[in-house]
Amino acid sequence: KAGVTQTPRYLIKTRGQQVTLSCSPISGHRSVSWYQQTPGQGLQFLFEYFSETQRNKGNFPGRFSGRQFSNSRSEMNVSTLELGDSALYLCASSLGLASSGANVLTFGAGSRLTVL
Amino acid sequence: GDSVTQMEGPVTLSEEAFLTINCTYTATGYPSLFWYVQYPGEGLQLLLKATKADDKGSNKGFEATYRKETTSFHLEKGSVQVSDSAVYFCALTLILNNAGNMLTFGGGTRLMVKP
Repeated sequence: KAGVTQTPRYLIKTRGQQVTLSCSPISGHRSVSWYQQTPGQGLQFLFEYFSETQRNKGNFPGRFSGRQFSNSRSEMNVSTLELGDSALYLCASSLGLASSGANVLTFGAGSRLTVL
Repeated sequence: GDSVTQMEGPVTLSEEAFLTINCTYTATGYPSLFWYVQYPGEGLQLLLKATKADDKGSNKGFEATYRKETTSFHLEKGSVQVSDSAVYFCALTLILNNAGNMLTFGGGTRLMVKP
């Protein structure tokens, strides 16, 4: 079955602009999580969406936002970009149900954002 | 808060050498533990997992045992190959009250295997 698809794979923006990243989860997966990966801070959790609702949120400023659609596809948006937002943004999907035990996340290849 | 500490790299080994990457954790509850691997230019791939004490996760020759008494989940492989060169991440997750989950990652360990 198809994996987690993230678009675009690479993009370059300038400070002050905004960006929208897209994630299509594995079919049947209702949870989508977003992570930021940088050399300095490593992998950090941004937020998780389940059935179109934000279920958990990491410690990021309000410039980072997201949403999930009825087909479980998710988008994240970063407004007023700063140089420090340059990172690899990873999306992961899972079934999202507690009854499934340890929810295993399947990651996409990521969207690499460069802010100039 | 919850945290994962893993040995810093890079770890450089010759092919067929024995590999150990140490990982210890701090968690308020009873976490599930994971090892993920990231190859250059790619996202993360699940390597193995363990959900309770003394569980051993294994995959592709890699193994890790969930040690609750030492809060550790060290990754081992008996004989590494050049193709194992990648960055390895130890991670934990707790099933939250709202059934959500989020991974807390260690800093990653780069493994370089030379022929």
